[in-house]
Amino acid sequence: KQEVTQIPAALSVPEGENLVLNCSFTDSAIYNLQWFRQDPGKGLTSLLLIQSSQREQTSGRLNASLDKSSGRSTLYIAASQPGDSATYLCAPTGGFKTIFGAGTRLFVKA
Amino acid sequence: DTGVSQDPRHKITKRGQNVTFRCDPISEHNRLYWYRQTLGQGPEFLTYFQNEAQLEKSRLLSDRFSAERPKGSFSTLEIQRTEQGDSAMYLCASSPGTHYEQYFGPGTRLTVT
Repeated sequence: KQEVTQIPAALSVPEGENLVLNCSFTDSAIYNLQWFRQDPGKGLTSLLLIQSSQREQTSGRLNASLDKSSGRSTLYIAASQPGDSATYLCAPTGGFKTIFGAGTRLFVKA
Repeated sequence: DTGVSQDPRHKITKRGQNVTFRCDPISEHNRLYWYRQTLGQGPEFLTYFQNEAQLEKSRLLSDRFSAERPKGSFSTLEIQRTEQGDSAMYLCASSPGTHYEQYFGPGTRLTVT
């Protein structure tokens, strides 16, 4: 059974700081791993998708890495901004199921 | 196409009543997923459709929950005899294939009083 853990659970940083969000998963038999952003009371917005054969993906200030063998993924956010404040969710997919972590709540102070 | 839509956005119902939610996926997407999310938690997988076939169903779903996707387009999720523990955000997502991104709708927030 896939279990996903995200560390830290919450993070508060000053604007401009670079930061790393961590995700670990127990079952390495995955097709891909997706990172999402969720604003309070809203649906999820896809940030990055990494296929199981890939090591990393980049989009703007975001970079996600995947080490399938060790069951780890990281999301790197460069030069954080107050608009980045949200909950970030990690979601590996294997078989027909996508299992989510509880998320990291990020607050970026102006 | 404006993305995945869900209706209604909010539903308040009394315990014991039946409720039905609708999800309209992105038109060319043949994969459709339902999730449930409670406060402070990530979404929990409920069920998965490939076209009209329901290929996976979570053990979290009791017999009171049923989902359909009759023509491989929109989907409905019905909860019978609602309980207070069913209060949650119900999210729908669609995808053009297994190895592709999932796109989420805005969710239906259910409150059972």
